[in-house]
Amino acid sequence: GDSVTQMEGPVTLSEEACLTINCTYTATGYPSLFWYVQYPGEGLQLLLKATKADDKGSNKGFEATYRKETTSFHLEKGSVQVSDSAVYFCALSAQGGSEKLVFGKGMKLTVNP
Amino acid sequence: DAGVTQSPTHLIKTRGQQVTLRCSPKSGHDTVSWYQQALGQGPQFIFQYYEEEERQRGNFPDRFSGHQFPNYSSELNVNALLLGDSALYLCASSLDQRADTQYFGPGTRLTVL
Repeated sequence: GDSVTQMEGPVTLSEEACLTINCTYTATGYPSLFWYVQYPGEGLQLLLKATKADDKGSNKGFEATYRKETTSFHLEKGSVQVSDSAVYFCALSAQGGSEKLVFGKGMKLTVNP
Repeated sequence: DAGVTQSPTHLIKTRGQQVTLRCSPKSGHDTVSWYQQALGQGPQFIFQYYEEEERQRGNFPDRFSGHQFPNYSSELNVNALLLGDSALYLCASSLDQRADTQYFGPGTRLTVL
């Protein structure tokens, strides 16, 4: 079945450090790919998405590129802030009308000043 | 515009009891999906309701059931609670069953003792 494997934390960074969170997927065809963020005590928020190969999603300084050849969708940010402390989830929805989301296990990021 | 709302926020039950969780979708959305997020894990899809019918179901036993009302709000019912049912239950609403339009609520934290 469809699955998502992502880098697990927790990870602690200093403010202004670079961030990369690896995510790879297993699915047939061309799934849509997502990054969600969960701040403490809150629900999931969509951070960015990409729906076809080579698409780049971006939001709030975060970027991820849909790489079909490596089945990856790594999340990157050049300079993290304390406010980026949260849990990050990679997810996919399968091609062809399966509208459920399949999530990775999540990675907790803490950014210290 | 209110987003997705869920009630109650927290709930404590004992093994064998039954529980009902409620969700009101974002204005304009007609589809409700439910997810279970165990501690330290990514959300897992339980089922999706559209036009008052269960459209998709994840790998959850029949103890988990749901309902969607004409105003698109939804309930999740869990019978014969087990300790392992302790989790954060997330509701997501979307338009026309599309995963890329899903908005998540803050969740209901269920503790089974």
